[in-house]
Amino acid sequence: KNEVEQSPQNLTAQEGEFITINCSYSVGISALHWLQQHPGGGIVSLFMLSSGKKKHGRLIATINIQEKHSSLHITASHPRDSAVYICAAHPISNFGNEKLTFGTGTRLTIIP
Amino acid sequence: DSGVTQTPKHLITATGQRVTLRCSPRSGDLSVYWYQQSLDQGLQFLIQYYNGEERAKGNILERFSAQQFPDLHSELNLSSLELGDSALYFCASSVRNNEQFFGPGTRLTVL
Repeated sequence: KNEVEQSPQNLTAQEGEFITINCSYSVGISALHWLQQHPGGGIVSLFMLSSGKKKHGRLIATINIQEKHSSLHITASHPRDSAVYICAAHPISNFGNEKLTFGTGTRLTIIP
Repeated sequence: DSGVTQTPKHLITATGQRVTLRCSPRSGDLSVYWYQQSLDQGLQFLIQYYNGEERAKGNILERFSAQQFPDLHSELNLSSLELGDSALYFCASSVRNNEQFFGPGTRLTVL
């Protein structure tokens, strides 16, 4: 079993739909990252959160530390949101040892 | 633009060869991380440097090595290349314990 698991692996939705991507982890973390990777390959950091909720535009990320679960929500989805979304666990820091453990990613396709 | 630069963008080489990938972190970031993304393995952490010193190691092969220089740029050296080393190689940088910012990646193709 992977230390970081995401669901679903693939998601296709119509433009305007509310999107939820889930991430569960089994390791102790100090924070969780959500990353976006577009078809060209570039990776953009969307959020880093250690508790509660963060919002940026139409994107919302939540985390429940007790349940070891995080969700990424996209409101009013748009075709330009089509990308692979990856969650990554940031370990409890061991003086500078900050290797990320990645989920396998969720491929999101938004149809116009 | 994340502020992290990587060169080259693309690299095509043959099995058995040696290549060097270069990464310049964001101004002020002391930590540099290297990641490999292959089709069958997803993103994998290779190695982290902090202010010139190695801090953490992932599943990095013995044929691979890295270093971080006094000006904080980093190089990843891949030697005795095999077909399976074909992948996207990303570096990222951060202020310690904070969000990591990724470079655009180097796409390595080993023929």
